[in-house]
Parts: sequence; C-alpha cells; structure tokens
Amino acid sequence: GDSVTQMEGPVTLSEEAFLTINCTYTATGYPSLFWYVQYPGEGLQLLLKATKADDKGSNKGFEATYRKETTSFHLEKGSVQVSDSAVYFCASMNTGFQKLVFGTGTRLLVSP
Amino acid sequence: ETGVTQTPRHLVMGMTNKKSLKCEQHLGHNAMYWYKQSAKKPLELMFVYNFKEQTENNSVPSRFSPECPNSSHLFLHLHTLQPEDSALYLCASSQVETPGEAFFGQGTRLTVV
Repeated sequence: GDSVTQMEGPVTLSEEAFLTINCTYTATGYPSLFWYVQYPGEGLQLLLKATKADDKGSNKGFEATYRKETTSFHLEKGSVQVSDSAVYFCASMNTGFQKLVFGTGTRLLVSP
Repeated sequence: ETGVTQTPRHLVMGMTNKKSLKCEQHLGHNAMYWYKQSAKKPLELMFVYNFKEQTENNSVPSRFSPECPNSSHLFLHLHTLQPEDSALYLCASSQVETPGEAFFGQGTRLTVV
C-alpha cells in the first residue's frame, strides 16, 4: 500500500538556521503531496501542497518540490524562527481517493 | 466560533463505559473525517463522510460507531473500548472536491482505563 516516510526527530536548530526535513513516498499512482504543520495545542494545518511532478509548493517561507525521480518531497526553509517550532507531517493522496496517507511527523525545535 | 471544534478535549473512560466525541465545523465543508493519532505511528484514517453519507470505513472495530446527522456535525460513539484505543482522535473537514486540503480540530485525548 501507499506509505510516507519522514526523518526521525526531533530536529533542533538555532534561529536563522537552514531547515530541511526529508520525506519520501511510495504510491501506486501519481499522488498529490502535502506538508501539514501542528503547532502546540492546535490541530493540523495545511502548510503547502504540490499536485504533479516538478511542482513547487511554498508558503510562509517554506518550500517543497515534488521529485518523481526520487519519490521525495523534502521541506526546506532558509531561515527558521522560534515560532516555527512545531510538528511537521508529510502526506500523500492518490487521485480519486479521499485518504491522506501521513508520515509519523517530525518535531522541530528552534532555540533563540 | 470558526474552524473545526472538538469536544471534549480530554476524556478518561472505563472499558465498560459509553461515551461520545463531538465535532463541529463552521467552514461550509461537505466532507468530514475521523482520524486516530497514536504515539510513534502515522495518523490513521478511520471514517469518511460525504454529504452526511459514510463513504469509507477503514476496517475500524465496531466498538467505534460514527454518526453524521448533517454536514456540519460528526460524532464518534465509543463503547467497550480497550486500553490500546487510548489515543488522540482528530476530526477534519474539507470540500469533497479537495480532500487533501483538510482542516483539523485540536483533537480529543482519550484515555481508556
């Protein structure tokens, strides 16, 4: 079945550092890909998405590029802030289905 | 209120109890979902409702019984649960046409004793 694999956390960074959180997927078709973020005490929020190969999703300084050749959708940000501390979830969804397949989440801790 | 609201936020119940989780969305969405979030495991989709009709049940045990009286409300009725059912239960909603763009509630932290 479809699955999503994320790097283990926590990822600990200092403010203004560069962030990469790795995500790879397996799917039978050509899924859409998503990054969700969960801030402490809140529900998951959609951060960005990409629906086809080579698409780049971006939001709030975060970016991720849909790489079909490496089945990856790595999340990046050039300069993290303390307020970016949260759990980040990578997810996939096959066309025509309503099932989001999530990774286990990666906790990001940013210190001043 | 806006967004997706879940009540209660925390629930402790015995294995012989019956309780219900409630979810309400004020976004005008027509699809609603229940997910289970256990420690160290990916979120698991449990149920999907489109326009109040259940369209997906991901092999969930019958001790979990969903109900969707209208497009804005979703319930999860619980009875004779097991300790391994302890988890964070998340409700989400979306438009049927864009299921990947889901809005999640804060969840109900359930502990079965």
